[in-house]
Amino acid sequence: AQSVTQPDIHITVSEGASLELRCNYSYGATPYLFWYVQSPGQGLQLLLKYFSGDTLVQGIKGFEAEFKRSQSSFNLRKPSVHWSDAAEYFCAVGVRQAGTALIFGKGTTLSVSS
Amino acid sequence: EPEVTQTPSHQVTQMGQEVILRCVPISNHLYFYWYRQILGQKVEFLVSFYNNEISEKSEIFDDQFSVERPDGSNFTLKIRSTKLEDSAMYFCASSPGGSGELFFGEGSRLTVL
Repeated sequence: AQSVTQPDIHITVSEGASLELRCNYSYGATPYLFWYVQSPGQGLQLLLKYFSGDTLVQGIKGFEAEFKRSQSSFNLRKPSVHWSDAAEYFCAVGVRQAGTALIFGKGTTLSVSS
Repeated sequence: EPEVTQTPSHQVTQMGQEVILRCVPISNHLYFYWYRQILGQKVEFLVSFYNNEISEKSEIFDDQFSVERPDGSNFTLKIRSTKLEDSAMYFCASSPGGSGELFFGEGSRLTVL
């Protein structure tokens, strides 16, 4: 079965600094990979997704993520963090079968300091 | 833009009572899901539903839980005889199928006293 590890529980970044959130997955084949963001009291919003092709994917709000098969990783990056980026970030993995549920990591809480 | 809607946004119930959480998935989607997030913890898969039957369920989804699509638009999660540990945010999601991308609702917060 697939699984997701987000090694960092909480990260604090200064506003304007760069950000990288780590995600490692375990799955025997190439999975679907996703990053979702959750603001306090809100639902889950899709930031970006990887299905196939270019391993660097662009998402909303200036985020990008890179799929590295050799490292089983899908790290999320942003070159310059804004205070409004403070939220919980979840990496998720899905198998290539229609309708199969996504499995989420435990999440990383991002705080932004001024 | 079409979205998944969930009601109620917050429900408080007494331990032992039955609760029904409702969801209206995006209209042309084929797969439906319930997830649970206990406060401060990760989002956990409960159940998926396709073609009017459960297609996958986790070990959390025991006999206390049931799902139904009663009228072709609503998708409900019933929790019988609620326990304190059922207190959580419950998210409904839907998917058109094939892409793996899930579209989530805003969640229903359940508080069991």
